[in-house]
Amino acid sequence: DGGITQSPKYLFRKEGQNVTLSCEQNLNHDAMYWYRQDPGQGLRLIYYSQIVNDFQKGDIAEGYSVSREKKESFPLTVTSAQKNPTAFYLCASSIAAHSNNEQFFGPGTRLTVL
Amino acid sequence: QKEVEQNSGPLSVPEGAIASLNCTYSDRGSQSFFWYRQYSGKSPELIMSIYSNGDKEDGRFTAQLNKASQYVSLLIRDSQPSDSATYLCAVGRNQGGKLIFGQGTELSVKP
Repeated sequence: DGGITQSPKYLFRKEGQNVTLSCEQNLNHDAMYWYRQDPGQGLRLIYYSQIVNDFQKGDIAEGYSVSREKKESFPLTVTSAQKNPTAFYLCASSIAAHSNNEQFFGPGTRLTVL
Repeated sequence: QKEVEQNSGPLSVPEGAIASLNCTYSDRGSQSFFWYRQYSGKSPELIMSIYSNGDKEDGRFTAQLNKASQYVSLLIRDSQPSDSATYLCAVGRNQGGKLIFGQGTELSVKP
């Protein structure tokens, strides 16, 4: 059963804490992406990875970090430097990092800062 | 000017009618266009992709692309209450396969 999984579904963070969001895919996709969605808004790109051991900053990378040590995994860390981290975080993947390739999304993680 | 613009809505149509959702984009060199459906509290689901001028049909959905006018639209025929959702337009960038999203149009189909 192929797909993208994200965990946890809900996450609560205290001010000053770092938290890591998990994203795993078994679609054998090369490219993976992290987006952030705020209420009533579209998605904004945080980081993306075209291939294992390589990743680039997206449009709103400040306060976030990622790693891509395995093809199937692309975890996102929300650091204490992120000023307004409460949002819906979405991971996506595509077969390759080309503009024509469709991206498919995981179920998302909803992060709330207490 | 935003790179991808959509009317936020809500767009309300009666059951059985045609819903028309529109999207404009600013980068004339864009080559790929996608429509996603997002139910409240859920993640986006890809429903249509289009790359060439003209119409592309898939069941009750038709995507229309006009590169000269820089707009892409989504028509939903025989709208059902289950079509009530937010529809996101996305445009592909050549760099890294990134997508630029509009803010989404909320569609409400009334029984």
